[in-house]
Amino acid sequence: QKEVEQDPGPLSVPEGAIVSLNCTYSNSAFQYFMWYRQYSRKGPELLMYTYSSGNKEDGRFTAQVDKSSKYISLFIRDSQPSDSATYLCAMSESGNTPLVFGKGTRLSVIA
Amino acid sequence: NAGVTQTPKFRILKIGQSMTLQCTQDMNHNYMYWYRQDPGMGLKLIYYSVGAGITDKGEVPNGYNVSRSTTEDFPLRLELAAPSQTSVYFCASSYSRHEQFFGPGTRLTVL
Repeated sequence: QKEVEQDPGPLSVPEGAIVSLNCTYSNSAFQYFMWYRQYSRKGPELLMYTYSSGNKEDGRFTAQVDKSSKYISLFIRDSQPSDSATYLCAMSESGNTPLVFGKGTRLSVIA
Repeated sequence: NAGVTQTPKFRILKIGQSMTLQCTQDMNHNYMYWYRQDPGMGLKLIYYSVGAGITDKGEVPNGYNVSRSTTEDFPLRLELAAPSQTSVYFCASSYSRHEQFFGPGTRLTVL
């Protein structure tokens, strides 16, 4: 079993839809969870960062972590064409250990 | 601030050639990283550095070397290029492990 699993998509939704992106993981020691957004032919940029379990909201974006199920989610409300990108989950055990990335989910929001 | 800059943007190498990928950051970050990204495979950590003079191997270090003589620069050296090294290479830097700032990438093809 791979350490971090992420459905590669592609996922295509109409403008205004609610999008749900997910990752599962096997390492119960992971405590830090991140979502990066990567536009085509660009480097990734940090979108959301969560420590341990719970929810975090930032505008149209909500990150959820369920450590008991080893499952994290990113929700995008009122999706826009500008949200079309690849979304990568990433996680680490502590502040001193490297990040482990998922393979990324490619999202297209159609106007 | 320019952030993280990488040169060159594109390069084609012949099998057995060598080259250095340059990476510079102007944010005074201690942490710097090199990743490779293959299609549909996410980001794999090649090498990282926690400060000038200190480097360590990541998940896929074979065929690569790094050095870190200054805080700003973290070059990646490819010796004896092989087709398996065809990839997009991203350099990143961070103050903490989690909010990593990525450069625009170098697209390398080995023929």
